[in-house]
Amino acid sequence: GAGVSQTPSNKVTEKGKYVELRCDPISGHTALYWYRQSLGQGPEFLIYFQGTGAADDSGLPNDRFFAVRPEGSVSTLKIQRTERGDSAVYLCASSLSPGNTIYFGEGSWLTVV
Amino acid sequence: KQEVTQIPAALSVPEGENLVLNCSFTDSAIYNLQWFRQDPGKGLTSLLLIQSSQREQTSGRLNASLDKSSGRSTLYIAASQPGDSATYLCAVHAGGTSYGKLTFGQGTILTVHP
Repeated sequence: GAGVSQTPSNKVTEKGKYVELRCDPISGHTALYWYRQSLGQGPEFLIYFQGTGAADDSGLPNDRFFAVRPEGSVSTLKIQRTERGDSAVYLCASSLSPGNTIYFGEGSWLTVV
Repeated sequence: KQEVTQIPAALSVPEGENLVLNCSFTDSAIYNLQWFRQDPGKGLTSLLLIQSSQREQTSGRLNASLDKSSGRSTLYIAASQPGDSATYLCAVHAGGTSYGKLTFGQGTILTVHP
């Protein structure tokens, strides 16, 4: 596609529920990134993939968060047992390779009530 | 741990002014630095990327400079317009084995009024 696509754009869920957020990167981009942004803050790194493997997952806050990219293209961020503190915008990005210009999607706005 | 600071946090200027946004980072071992723009409720739009070996990059009315040794970058916007109003974010790409990771500043909120 022309840009990074994220779905859903908005998600409201109840505390304790499971959530999946999807990212479709720019075609041909091998590197894919997940960031989280709270109101008034800059994005915080969660995880990045080079191809199918997670090259760096040091930003995942705890074991409730997990991400996959099984075929080296689309990625899914999975959050188990959601908490109100997980409410944020989850941003996906991709680049041709790590260290090149990074392009962001519009984000998935998650609200946990 | 890399820390990125942006000054000022907010800036309001009349249309037509030239302005400078500042970004500083604590660890000079960076791969490159990227400036982004974010409109309210939207994702990030890449403006400029400066490689660690470069001193500056230009795109239209925008000019970004990098002084890696002192841990500073500036974004210069010439002849500002109301459409430039947005949050501007500076981000550094980590060096070493995790050079795909970006560390962001908190942003500068720019308002250009007619």
